[in-house]
Amino acid sequence: EIVLTQSPGTLSLSPGQRATLSCRASQSVSRTSLAWYQQRPGQAPRILINGTSMRATGIPDRFSGSGSGTDFTLTISRLEPEDFAVYYCQHFGDSPRFTFGQGTKLEI
Amino acid sequence: QVQLQESGPRLVKPSGTLSLTCTVSGGSFGPNNWWSWVRQSPGKGLEWIGEIYHSGSTTYNPSLKSRVVISVDKFKRQFSLRLSSVTAADTATYYCAHVGGSCSGGRCNSVGWFGPWGQGIRVIVSS
Repeated sequence: EIVLTQSPGTLSLSPGQRATLSCRASQSVSRTSLAWYQQRPGQAPRILINGTSMRATGIPDRFSGSGSGTDFTLTISRLEPEDFAVYYCQHFGDSPRFTFGQGTKLEI
Repeated sequence: QVQLQESGPRLVKPSGTLSLTCTVSGGSFGPNNWWSWVRQSPGKGLEWIGEIYHSGSTTYNPSLKSRVVISVDKFKRQFSLRLSSVTAADTATYYCAHVGGSCSGGRCNSVGWFGPWGQGIRVIVSS
């Protein structure tokens, strides 16, 4: 089973700053199998990035994803007030078919 | 645009069975679509429960497989979750979610990410 470890657990930044969130897999995974989600309080998660670096429809270009092997990164170039939320990485594999990281809380 | 909505009892007694339904509106419910259940509890974060393909083929999380059944009703555009022998550890917000597919040469493969999601339904296991 692939285990995803996200860091940091909480990231405190201000609007306008750059955020860098990490997701580390317990073994090497395909770039096509790694996705990122944003979850605001009281809402369901929403897809931000799939295939490591492809922004989902309607996602602003201040969000970008990168990485390979075991290390993946979600970068938010200039934080907007609505970006303060919890972010999850997710892997698509064999068994279990889907696994999630434990999340990074991005707070002001 | 596909929209999903969960429904079902919000309180379930310990050792009972949790039953939820997800109603899908808009978009396609046919081939090239997978339908999943994901839950979220404070102690365990996001946990994938299982999925069903339009044909009725299912895949479950091994950690829950012995207690889970997911079924589909194509005519009603619904899919359902049954989780048996529940305990307090099954208290969570349950989401249904769509996974699309990519087809080539008559064969479709899951894209491997969830979107869209239902709004979620909070289920408490308590006597």
